This record gives sequence, C-alpha cells and structure tokens, in this order.
Amino acid sequence: AQSVAQPEDQVNVAEGNPLTVKCTYSVSGNPYLFWYVQYPNRGLQFLLKYITGDNLVKGSYGFEAEFNKSQTSFHLKKPSALVSDSALYFCAVRKADKLIFGTGTRLQVFP
Amino acid sequence: DTGVSQNPRHKITKRGQNVTFRCDPISEHNRLYWYRQTLGQGPEFLTYFQNEAQLEKSRLLSDRFSAERPKGSFSTLEIQRTEQGDSAMYLCASSLVGPGTNEKLFFGSGTQLSVL
Repeated sequence: AQSVAQPEDQVNVAEGNPLTVKCTYSVSGNPYLFWYVQYPNRGLQFLLKYITGDNLVKGSYGFEAEFNKSQTSFHLKKPSALVSDSALYFCAVRKADKLIFGTGTRLQVFP
Repeated sequence: DTGVSQNPRHKITKRGQNVTFRCDPISEHNRLYWYRQTLGQGPEFLTYFQNEAQLEKSRLLSDRFSAERPKGSFSTLEIQRTEQGDSAMYLCASSLVGPGTNEKLFFGSGTQLSVL
C-alpha cells in the first residue's frame, strides 16, 4: 500500500540555519512524491514533486527535496530558514489518481 | 487569481442536522477532490470527480455522505444526520489533468464543521 510517514511532529530551527523536514515512503512501484505547506487559515499549497529524473528536486520559496531510493526517503530541505517559513508541512504520495498525505510536521523558525 | 473557493468557512450545527458545503474549483480544472482533516492529522481522501463523474469514494465516506458535481463545475458535499465525529475541516482541491499537465492540486481554505 502507498503511504508516507513523517516521524517528527515538530521541528524547531533558528532563522538562518538550514532546515530539514523528514519523510519516508512505502510504495509498490515507482513513487510519485510531493510536499505541500499549510499556513494558518490558508489552503495547502504545492511546494514540489518528484516523479522521475534528478534526485534533488527544487521547488517554491527556496525549498528543495532529496529523493533517496535506498533509504526510501524524501526529506524537505532549505539552506537558510526564514521566520516566515513557519507552517505545517505535509509529505504525500500518489496512489492511483489521489494523494495520500502524511500526518504533517510543524516547522517553527525562531528569530 | 480566482483560486478554489469553499463556502461556508465555518459551520456549527447540532447533532442530527444535515449540512451542505460548496466548492468552486478553478474554472478550467477537470478534477475535483474532497478531503477531510482533523487536528493533528493530514488530509484524508474522501472522494473525487473527473468532470461530472464521481470516480472513487473512500471507505471513510459513509452512506450519510453524498457528493455531487452536476455540471462538472462546482461541487457540493452533503452530510446527513451529522454526528460529533463528523467535526473536521473539509477541504476541496482541484487540478487539471491531461497531457502536459503537472498534477498540481490547488486547495481551498476549507470548511470547518463543528457538530455540537
């Protein structure tokens, strides 16, 4: 069954430091993986996706994600965190024609 | 930028009452999805439409839930005889699917349902 796991409920990082939000996946076949962000009182917004090709995927707002097949991971990264990056982040995998989301990780960036 | 619009933003109802939510997707999008999100959880898939055809329903969607997309544009989600366990944020998303599209889902801000 297609699923993703986000092992951390919350990640705290100081502004200017690099950040990583973790995601592991369990899929049969080739995975189609996504990251979405949810700001307070806003809908989920697409950040980036991996379908095939380069293992390092670049997305919106300076975020990137690294697909690692041997570790079945798709961690979200940013070299230098901003306070405005504080939000809820969801990893997702495509299953048939829909997305299956993880439980989310709250990112808190402190000034 | 006319994104995905959901109405109402909030709905408070008493147990046993019926409620209906509306979603207006981005106009050219042919796919429309309904998800449900509770506190501390990720969005859970409920159902989706390709144009006006409802192609899949989750096992989460009991007989009390019904969704329609009559003309392939807006969609409604009705919950009959609401229960306290139905309290959640109901999210709508749309996408354009076809050759050369990027599979990106656009989400609305959701309808927060509270069943008392």
